[in-house]
Amino acid sequence: GAGVSQSPSNKVTEKGKDVELRCDPISGHTALYWYRQSLGQGLEFLIYFQGNSAPDKSGLPSDRFSAERTGGSVSTLTIQRTQQEDSAVYLCASSLEPYNSPLHFGNGTRLTVT
Amino acid sequence: GEDVEQSLFLSVREGDSSVINCTYTDSSSTYLYWYKQEPGAGLQLLTYIFSNMDMKQDQRLTVLLNKKDKHLSLRIADTQTGDSAIYFCAELNQAGTALIFGKGTTLSVSS
Repeated sequence: GAGVSQSPSNKVTEKGKDVELRCDPISGHTALYWYRQSLGQGLEFLIYFQGNSAPDKSGLPSDRFSAERTGGSVSTLTIQRTQQEDSAVYLCASSLEPYNSPLHFGNGTRLTVT
Repeated sequence: GEDVEQSLFLSVREGDSSVINCTYTDSSSTYLYWYKQEPGAGLQLLTYIFSNMDMKQDQRLTVLLNKKDKHLSLRIADTQTGDSAIYFCAELNQAGTALIFGKGTTLSVSS
C-alpha cells in the first residue's frame, strides 16, 4: 500500500515568510510524528500526535513552530517568520499504534530559508 | 536524558561483513531499531529487536543486543555497494512517544 507522503518535497523561502509542510500518513496509522534532520545534527524529534489525545509538543524548538492534525489523518507543520537556522529536512513518520510499533517515514521536505 | 551514540563512518570492501555499533542510555528501552537512509530519501526501517532478545537475524542482517552494556550492533553479511547509506540506531524515549536517534553511521562500500 501507499507509504507516508509529504509535500512539497522541496521548499525555498525567504527569511521572515511563513511555510506549511504537509504529511499524509499511512492509512490506519494512529500515531504521527514530525522530526527535523539538520546537517551534522542527526534527527531531532519535534512533535507527536496520537488519536484524539493532546499532542506531545516537547520537541518544538520555538513558538514559531506549530503543528496540527485534522481528522486524525493529515498533518501540517507550520513555521512562522522563518529563519535561516530553520533550513533542514523535515521528516514525517507514522506508526500503527504508539508504544513500540515501528515508525514508517516519508521522504521528507527539504526546506531552504534564504 | 536519553542519548544514542554511534560512530560516524565505516568503510568496507564489497563482499566483506560490516558491523555498525551503537550505545544507548535508557535501560528501560523495550525496542531498539535500525533504520537506513539512502541519499535524498527518507528513513527505511531495516529491523528492530525487542529488549528480551539477544539476537535477531533477518537474511543478511544480524542484530546483537547486550543489555548489560547497553550496546546494540548491526552486522551486514556480504556487504554490497547498494548497502552504502547512513544507518541510524534508535531507542524509544521514556515516555514511549517517540524514537531517539543516533547521528547515524555513514557506510561506504567500495568495489
